[in-house]
Amino acid sequence: NAGVTQTPKFRVLKTGQSMTLLCAQDMNHEYMYWYRQDPGMGLRLIHYSVGEGTTAKGEVPDGYNVSRLKKQNFLLGLESAAPSQTSVYFCASSRQGHLNGDTQYFGPGTRLTVL
Amino acid sequence: GDSVTQMEGPVTLSEEAFLTINCTYTATGYPSLFWYVQYPGEGLQLLLKATKADDKGSNKGFEATYRKETTSFHLEKGSVQVSDSAVYFCALPTYSGGSNYKLTFGKGTLLTVNP
Repeated sequence: NAGVTQTPKFRVLKTGQSMTLLCAQDMNHEYMYWYRQDPGMGLRLIHYSVGEGTTAKGEVPDGYNVSRLKKQNFLLGLESAAPSQTSVYFCASSRQGHLNGDTQYFGPGTRLTVL
Repeated sequence: GDSVTQMEGPVTLSEEAFLTINCTYTATGYPSLFWYVQYPGEGLQLLLKATKADDKGSNKGFEATYRKETTSFHLEKGSVQVSDSAVYFCALPTYSGGSNYKLTFGKGTLLTVNP
């Protein structure tokens, strides 16, 4: 099992450019998440999905869109990149969600720089 | 809303020193509590968890006890190693209706262990 993989690992964009980050999981998990990690801010949830074909907003959704057309993939799009979106992006998945807490499995991250 | 607060650090220790990283939480009900660890250049991974009051989670020599009376879940290790150098995150599941379960993370505590 590869677990959670993210593509690409690094990317440099110019302001206004668009890009899509791909997350794939091979564990048949229902839930998938996109986070961003910035110094001193911890992890902040951007968007998440509770199953194929669903998406929901997290804590910081503005400037991002997502799609979950297939259960194993969760795409994060930046339509018009801004320097404030320079960050490390992590994807995660979990089997399900409940208050007993299912373990989230994280990908290795994508380091994005917007100039 | 539900939240976690953890000491922000950074924490610098010598090898074989005792480690405590404080985490307190605010929650309705009694959700599970988690500690995740992020080693340099990697994504987060589950370190340990506890699912109910007075439960003790343990892994790799780390321990944390779910204390309902003090709403705390402090992480401890009796003798740290250089390989424990990482960022540690306290987390709890939160629920906002329907199928909307997610994890709320603390801001993370950077631990550096010197030989």
